[in-house]
Amino acid sequence: DAGVTQSPTHLIKTRGQQVTLRCSPKSGHDTVSWYQQALGQGPQFIFQYYEEEERQRGNFPDRFSGHQFPNYSSELNVNALLLGDSALYLCASSSLAGLHIQETQYFGPGTRLLVL
Amino acid sequence: AQSVAQPEDQVNVAEGNPLTVKCTYSVSGNPYLFWYVQYPNRGLQFLLKYITGDNLVKGSYGFEAEFNKSQTSFHLKKPSALVSDSALYFCAVRGSGTYKYIFGTGTRLKVLA
Repeated sequence: DAGVTQSPTHLIKTRGQQVTLRCSPKSGHDTVSWYQQALGQGPQFIFQYYEEEERQRGNFPDRFSGHQFPNYSSELNVNALLLGDSALYLCASSSLAGLHIQETQYFGPGTRLLVL
Repeated sequence: AQSVAQPEDQVNVAEGNPLTVKCTYSVSGNPYLFWYVQYPNRGLQFLLKYITGDNLVKGSYGFEAEFNKSQTSFHLKKPSALVSDSALYFCAVRGSGTYKYIFGTGTRLKVLA
């Protein structure tokens, strides 16, 4: 049973460029959340997707956008990259299973983005 | 507003000794509490969670955590530490009515042989 997978593992971009990160959820999961983890910090919530719609958003600018596909996989897009966007981007998947209080988020290995 | 505090940046413990990694939280409504572990250059690995019920929660790899509502704490414990437990540990909270997890800043656990 494959866990959460993310691609690519590493990425180097320059300021002003755009980037797309990809995530495939754990089998049986229908919800995907994205987090940004800066060096030495805990993960910060970017947004969550369920039924192909953004359900909740954290305190991130509109440069951060996402998408969820019918197969539940998801993309995170970041436009107009800044040096401060350098971080580990984590995808987490979960399943409502009818009772969201039972939800546990399972994380992928992350994509490390370096903006020069 | 929801928040999580992990007051210790680093905890050192000798192999075989009990370990405790501290976490306190602030949330409106009932808290849903989680512990995750992160190894170098890896994502977060789920250890255990408290949703409701018994205050002592048992998780993976011999870890357990004690929920204390009056002290708003959810400390991670293990009776006998292993060198392989050395890693970065994160406490997280999710309040009712929200889907996002709020993470602490992490505690680096170092188990000395």
